[in-house]
Amino acid sequence: AQSVTQLDSHVSVSEGTPVLLRCNYSSSYSPSLFWYVQHPNKGLQLLLKYTSAATLVKGINGFEAEFKKSETSFHLTKPSAHMSDAAEYFCVVFPSGDDKIIFGKGTRLHILP
Amino acid sequence: DTGVSQNPRHKITKRGQNVTFRCDPISEHNRLYWYRQTLGQGPEFLTYFQNEAQLEKSRLLSDRFSAERPKGSFSTLEIQRTEQGDSAMYLCASSFTLGQGWSNEQFFGPGTRLTVL
Repeated sequence: AQSVTQLDSHVSVSEGTPVLLRCNYSSSYSPSLFWYVQHPNKGLQLLLKYTSAATLVKGINGFEAEFKKSETSFHLTKPSAHMSDAAEYFCVVFPSGDDKIIFGKGTRLHILP
Repeated sequence: DTGVSQNPRHKITKRGQNVTFRCDPISEHNRLYWYRQTLGQGPEFLTYFQNEAQLEKSRLLSDRFSAERPKGSFSTLEIQRTEQGDSAMYLCASSFTLGQGWSNEQFFGPGTRLTVL
C-alpha cells in the first residue's frame, strides 16, 4: 500500500532564507509524486511533479524537489523565501495499480518578515 | 476565467437536510474528481468520472452520497440526510488523461465549504 508522510505540520522561516518542507513516501511501485500548494480561498495549484524522469524536479515560483529512492523522500526546497510563499503545501502520491491517490496532511509555511 | 468552478462556495444547512454541489471542469478535460478536505487534513479522494462514467468510488462515499456527470461536462455531488460529520470542504478537480493513468496534472476548483448545524 502507498502512503505519504509530511514530517512537519508547520514550518516558519524568515523572508530571504531557504525553505525545506519534508515528505517521505511508502510505495510498492515506482511512484509518481507531486507537490501542490493551497493559498487561502484559492484552489490547489500544482508546484511540480516527479514521474520517473530526472530525479531533481524544478517547479514554479523557484521551488524544486529531489526524488531520493534510497531515502524514500521527496523534499521540497526553495533557496530564498518570499512573503507570497506563505500557504499550505501538500505532498501527493499518485497511484499505480489499484491504489488511490493519497495526499499528505499538509505543511503550513509561515514567512516571517 | 477558464479554470474549474464550484458552486456554491459556502453552504450552511441543518442536520438531516439534503445538499447538492456543482462543479464545472475545464471544458476540454475528460476526467473529473471529487475530494473531501477536513480541517488539518489533506484532501481525501471520493470519486472520479471519465467522461460520463463513474469509474471509482472511495469507501468514504457512503450511501448518502451520490455523484453524477450526466453529459460528461459538469458534475453534481449530492449528500442526503446530512450529518455534522459531513462538515468539510468539498473539492473538485479536472484533468485531461488518456488511458488509465493518474499522473497528469489535476486542476482544482476553490471548493465548497459545507457546514452542517
